[in-house]
Amino acid sequence: GAGVSQSPSNKVTEKGKDVELRCDPISGHTALYWYRQRLGQGLEFLIYFQGNSAPDKSGLPSDRFSAERTGESVSTLTIQRTQQEDSAVYLCASSFTGQHTGELFFGEGSRLTVL
Amino acid sequence: KNQVEQSPQSLIILEGKNCTLQCNYTVSPFSNLRWYKQDTGRGPVSLTIMTFSENTKSNGRYTATLDADTKQSSLHITASQLSDSASYICVVSPGGYNKLIFGAGTRLAVHP
Repeated sequence: GAGVSQSPSNKVTEKGKDVELRCDPISGHTALYWYRQRLGQGLEFLIYFQGNSAPDKSGLPSDRFSAERTGESVSTLTIQRTQQEDSAVYLCASSFTGQHTGELFFGEGSRLTVL
Repeated sequence: KNQVEQSPQSLIILEGKNCTLQCNYTVSPFSNLRWYKQDTGRGPVSLTIMTFSENTKSNGRYTATLDADTKQSSLHITASQLSDSASYICVVSPGGYNKLIFGAGTRLAVHP
């Protein structure tokens, strides 16, 4: 596609449920990032994928969070047993270059509300 | 500790006026500095990327400056428009596989 695509755009769930968020990066982009943005706050790094290398998971806040990416395509971010504190916008970005020096192209985000 | 600090936290200006947003960083090493614009409810969009050797870069009415010696950057917006209302985020890349360092952003409101 022309840009980074994320789905769903909005998700309302009950505390304790699992959610899956999807990211379709720009074709040909080897790097993919997930960030979390709480209301009125800056972006928090969650996880980084680069090709077939082991992902950098150092930003995942707890073991309830996990993410997968198949090759250089779609990625899914899974949050298990959601808590109200997980309410945020989850942003995905992709980049042509593998190192953290290239321009990032962001999706529109998935807004998660945990009741 | 690598940090990026932006000021002011928020700003209100009248349409047609100019404004300047500040970004100070304590990131080392340094590869590049970016400014992003984030409209409410949207993902950030890149405005400029500057490397160590670049002092200024323009993108339409947006002009970014970089002083790598003092580790300061500014984003100047000329003849503001209502559509400039957004958050402006300063991001520094230390280079290589070191993670990007994000500022908290400046929230700009342009009023008619």
